Amino acid sequence: KAGVTQTPRYLIKTRGQQVTLSCSPISGHRSVSWYQQTPGQGLQFLFEYFSETQRNKGNFPGRFSGRQFSNSRSEMNVSTLELGDSALYLCASGTGGWTEAFFGQGTRLTVV
Amino acid sequence: QQQVKQSPQSLIVQKGGISIINCAYENTAFDYFPWYQQFPGKGPALLIAIRPDVSEKKEGRFTISFNKSAKQFSLHIMDSQPGDSATYFCAALRRNYGQNFVFGPGTRLSVLP
Repeated sequence: KAGVTQTPRYLIKTRGQQVTLSCSPISGHRSVSWYQQTPGQGLQFLFEYFSETQRNKGNFPGRFSGRQFSNSRSEMNVSTLELGDSALYLCASGTGGWTEAFFGQGTRLTVV
Repeated sequence: QQQVKQSPQSLIVQKGGISIINCAYENTAFDYFPWYQQFPGKGPALLIAIRPDVSEKKEGRFTISFNKSAKQFSLHIMDSQPGDSATYFCAALRRNYGQNFVFGPGTRLSVLP
């Protein structure tokens, strides 16, 4: 069974640009959640989607948005990039309940 | 109230020793407490998890101890091995509110051969 796939693995963007990250969950999983990981702030919850609906949202500005498609694949968008957005963005998929969340390897975003 | 505290920040243990990492939470609504292990360049992977109606859970060399009244839980790694060298995150979740984990800041464990 394939794991959670995140693309691209690495990305370099310029301040002010926007970026879209993609996450393909494990087959059959309907929940996709996104986390930002930085050395200073650790792992912080961004948002969760379940069956194409945003179910939970973390404490991030509106520049961070996401969506989920009917095949459960999810995208995350960050507009007007700031230097502080440089981080590892992790996607996790699950069945939708409270049990194990399976993480992808992440997308390393560097904003210059 | 959403914060999960974790200590120590880093830990060095000799091979065969016991590694102990502690976490504390404030929000009593949390009712699921997993530990995740992360190797460099990889995403976190679930190691072991516990619910607050259980005081201890053991899986192989890994044990979670849970103290509901103190709102604390800890991970014990027995017979630590160099392959256990990784960053460990404790986390907390409200089970009926989706998969929005609150993570501790992490502990970098180094097991010396």
